[in-house]
Amino acid sequence: QKEVEQDPGPLSVPEGAIVSLNCTYSNSAFQYFMWYRQYSRKGPELLMYTYSSGNKEDGRFTAQVDKSSKYISLFIRDSQPSDSATYLCAMSANGNQFYFGTGTSLTVIP
Amino acid sequence: GAVVSQHPSRVICKSGTSVKIECRSLDFQATTMFWYRQFPKQSLMLMATSNEGSKATYEQGVEKDKFLINHASLTLSTLTVTSAHPEDSSFYICSARAPSGGGEQYFGPGTRLTVT
Repeated sequence: QKEVEQDPGPLSVPEGAIVSLNCTYSNSAFQYFMWYRQYSRKGPELLMYTYSSGNKEDGRFTAQVDKSSKYISLFIRDSQPSDSATYLCAMSANGNQFYFGTGTSLTVIP
Repeated sequence: GAVVSQHPSRVICKSGTSVKIECRSLDFQATTMFWYRQFPKQSLMLMATSNEGSKATYEQGVEKDKFLINHASLTLSTLTVTSAHPEDSSFYICSARAPSGGGEQYFGPGTRLTVT
């Protein structure tokens, strides 16, 4: 079983839709959770960082962590064509070793 | 925010030559940097963890003699691909770990290596 599972998509939504991206994991020791956005042929950009459980909101983005279910989510409200990218989840138990999801490809159609 | 640069952004080299890629943390000191390789439409594959002032830790299956990593200062790590072959052609991305408690990683823009 992989440490982190992420549906690769592709996911296609109309502009303005709410997007939900998810990852599941198997290691209950994970306590640092990150979401990255990667445009084609670019390095990943840190979008959200969450420690332990709970929600975090930043503009149109909301990250949720449910440690009891070993499930994390990233919500994008009022999605824009510029949000079209690959979204990677990442997590770590100690801040030293990180585990990445395979990424979900998102396309927002104008 | 934390900025990580990489140089060059793309390089084409002939088979058998060596290529050096630089990774710099521009506005913070990074005791730990990571080197990844990414194939088209695939996720990041960790190659090695680079710690300032000590030898890099390589992931299983990564040839340390082929991918030489040097982390000589708190803001610079280099990856040298020695005796490059066409199968080494890939997108190489570095990241630097933030000095904050969570240790989140900030990524460079990547280097596209093409070996002919």
